[in-house]
Amino acid sequence: GAVVSQHPSWVICKSGTSVKIECRSLDFQATTMFWYRQFPKQSLMLMATSNEGSKATYEQGVEKDKFLINHASLTLSTLTVTSAHPEDSSFYICSAFGQRGYTFGSGTRLTVV
Amino acid sequence: AQSVTQLDSQVPVFEEAPVELRCNYSSSVSVYLFWYVQYPNQGLQLLLKYLSGSTLVESINGFEAEFNKSQTSFHLRKPSVHISDTAEYFCAVSLISNFGNEKLTFGTGTRLTIIP
Repeated sequence: GAVVSQHPSWVICKSGTSVKIECRSLDFQATTMFWYRQFPKQSLMLMATSNEGSKATYEQGVEKDKFLINHASLTLSTLTVTSAHPEDSSFYICSAFGQRGYTFGSGTRLTVV
Repeated sequence: AQSVTQLDSQVPVFEEAPVELRCNYSSSVSVYLFWYVQYPNQGLQLLLKYLSGSTLVESINGFEAEFNKSQTSFHLRKPSVHISDTAEYFCAVSLISNFGNEKLTFGTGTRLTIIP
């Protein structure tokens, strides 16, 4: 139990385009979703926290207009990287919080060329 | 604010030898403590956690960690490592709340490499 599906697992996009990453809790309801960013060989940095039906709360220094987070249902949250640039290339991981605690997605490696 | 320190960025260990991965935290209030493992290009998997009760917590694959409040530590140990334990290990803390959905604050990680 407590499975989170994150798609796509990797994506390459051109500079200036937008990319959407999905995070689904398959067998539980996620009251809260967390989005993290991880640079190579570094720790996870929290980008934003979202509760179902509410606007996301962004961490200091994270551009909310660039990283759009939607948490429209208790099983789905999306992160859209708008007008992506090479510096946005990173590993993005979602985490869903439910009755069994935190469950992480398998991550999305984004490469912007 | 909370912070987590993992002093060892890399730990090489021979197969079947014991290992300890260190984790210290800083917080003005009580916290929950976690250890996560990450394999290459994958998300994080919960290894073990301390919420309350016994200060020694164990995982199903032989790891254990002990919460030491006076030293603000939560070191991870395994008496005999296996090749499959090669991975990145992250220590994390969260505030204690009624809903339990506080954000996790991670340490910088420790890369454990098992040498055959």
